[in-house]
Amino acid sequence: GENVEQHPSTLSVQEGDSAVIKCTYSDSASNYFPWYKQELGKRPQLIIDIRSNVGEKKDQRIAVTLNKTAKHFSLHITETQPEDSAVYFCAAENSDSNYQLIWGAGTKLIIKP
Amino acid sequence: DTAVSQTPKYLVTQMGNDKSIKCEQNLGHDTMYWYKQDSKKFLKIMFSYNNKELIINETVPNRFSPKSPDKAHLNLHINSLELGDSAVYFCASTLQEGEATGELFFGEGSRLTVL
Repeated sequence: GENVEQHPSTLSVQEGDSAVIKCTYSDSASNYFPWYKQELGKRPQLIIDIRSNVGEKKDQRIAVTLNKTAKHFSLHITETQPEDSAVYFCAAENSDSNYQLIWGAGTKLIIKP
Repeated sequence: DTAVSQTPKYLVTQMGNDKSIKCEQNLGHDTMYWYKQDSKKFLKIMFSYNNKELIINETVPNRFSPKSPDKAHLNLHINSLELGDSAVYFCASTLQEGEATGELFFGEGSRLTVL
């Protein structure tokens, strides 16, 4: 079955710098990769997603890149701001299991003022 | 006009009790889920229902029983509560369009504390 690993578990960056969170997956048949942001005490919310027919997708300060050959995808946040502080989860869709999302363990992003 | 609403938001109870958490979505989605998020923040899927039918049933104790009276509701009943059941339980819904998974919309979460 699918397995998703996410690194790092905690990331601390200076405000204004960039942050990169990486995920690897094991099932080459996976073709949908969303990223969710969960602020403290709140619900997870989708911030960006990518399907396997593209290699990169950008939405203002956030971007996701996908390398299907290497089976990894990354979240990039530029010009980080205090409101970017949250836990970020990556996921991969497992077509072998009713398209269930397999989740990474989460990355706690801390933006230092 | 909350999209996915779950009640109660907080639940404190004694070991051995039975409790229920309710979830309703007004998005017209056909697939609903229950997730458990423990203190380490890991999101673990418990159940998935599509049009009132159980699709995913992960290895959770049979003390947990989901019930879907219609496709807009998915309730979670827990029997004989244990300390390890303490967590935040999230309901979520999505529109499954063929082979494409849509965005997951989560409820606000129900924080269960078992004493």
